[in-house]
Amino acid sequence: RKEVEQDPGPFNVPEGATVAFNCTYSNSASQSFFWYRQDCRKEPKLLMSVYSSGNEDGRFTAQLNRASQYISLLIRDSKLSDSATYLCVVKPLLQAGTALIFGKGTTLSVSS
Amino acid sequence: DAGVIQSPRHEVTEMGQEVTLRCKPISGHNSLFWYRQTMMRGLELLIYFNNNVPIDDSGMPEDRFSAKMPNASFSTLKIQPSEPRDSAVYFCASSFMQVGEKLFFGSGTQLSVL
Repeated sequence: RKEVEQDPGPFNVPEGATVAFNCTYSNSASQSFFWYRQDCRKEPKLLMSVYSSGNEDGRFTAQLNRASQYISLLIRDSKLSDSATYLCVVKPLLQAGTALIFGKGTTLSVSS
Repeated sequence: DAGVIQSPRHEVTEMGQEVTLRCKPISGHNSLFWYRQTMMRGLELLIYFNNNVPIDDSGMPEDRFSAKMPNASFSTLKIQPSEPRDSAVYFCASSFMQVGEKLFFGSGTQLSVL
């Protein structure tokens, strides 16, 4: 089983739609969770961290379910500019300063 | 701030040749990471350094790959000899661990081994 698994998509939605991405992770001791965004032919960039209580940043909502080892990202009122690949990222609970593990990403295409 | 700087942006080489990728992290960051990205495998961690010391190199595919960080402002990833299956985008990223997990990535090096 891969450490971080995502549905690769693509998700094709019209502007204004609400879309949700899911991600599962295998290491139950993982301590930190993130969503990164990667535009075509560009480097990944941090979109938002994911907290146990759930957190929201404008149109974006991230949630964590530790019991099910499941992370989600909800995008409301999709914009054309949201088209990108969304990477689910997990930090394993190992020694201090461990590296992030990336999922393969879910591709979103928003059309007008 | 200039961000993480990688060079070259593109590298095309023939099988068997040596390839050296370069990275300058953001000034003040104490951790540096090398990742490789392909369509099939996504982003894979190759190696990372903390305070210029290699911490985990278990992701390095084989002995043909080596990485160094001689000082806080420079790192190299070398492939010798290169093979077609090494073709990928190689990203360098840096962070300051004590203040969280945000990684800052460079623009990547697109490597093609013919």
